Amino acid sequence: ETGVTQTPRHLVMGMTNKKSLKCEQHLGHNAMYWYKQSAKKPLELMFVYSLEERVENNSVPSRFSPECPNSSHLFLHLHTLQPEDSALYLCASSQDFLAGVVFFGEGSRLTVL
Amino acid sequence: GEDVEQSLFLSVREGDSSVINCTYTDSSSTYLYWYKQEPGAGLQLLTYIFSNMDMKQDQRLTVLLNKKDKHLSLRIADTQTGDSAIYFCAERTGANNLFFGTGTRLTVIP
Repeated sequence: ETGVTQTPRHLVMGMTNKKSLKCEQHLGHNAMYWYKQSAKKPLELMFVYSLEERVENNSVPSRFSPECPNSSHLFLHLHTLQPEDSALYLCASSQDFLAGVVFFGEGSRLTVL
Repeated sequence: GEDVEQSLFLSVREGDSSVINCTYTDSSSTYLYWYKQEPGAGLQLLTYIFSNMDMKQDQRLTVLLNKKDKHLSLRIADTQTGDSAIYFCAERTGANNLFFGTGTRLTVIP
């Protein structure tokens, strides 16, 4: 248990579906992150939120839409995805945006058919 | 951009020591991390070292940092089958990101 919880752990969706990934951290951290892990590629940072404001968006397609309603919760809304978006999506948090150790959740394994 | 490199595979016999190596390019690193990922799971933080340290020991784990050569290593003493996993080196720079290597798959042979 790392203090960062992701749901669902596994998700299968069609290209026309709309779904969401949820992340919750119980560590009192101020920064939260979404990473994408694809086979044979380094982890890719997708989004960063600090104190509920987005501070980083690394050229992620608009079919991925993040939401951070408060400092403990982070969502990734998914719509009209492509099969190449199939990957493990990891949520992480740290005490502050530019400082502190980064803790990861268990990930949500997404398969797009 | 920053580059973090690791060898892809390492096999060791149970009970031996494992040494996983990592090189990085950004000299402004503040923290350097080792994460472990077991099949189907997320990344588990194993240990980390501040860039002003040379060595850190935590039970069976020893981290060595050579800032001059930008080289980081993780030594696992008395390696067990439960240590089989992918190990990621990562550096946190003075900018705004955490850069990961591609991971080293450690296989422990009984």
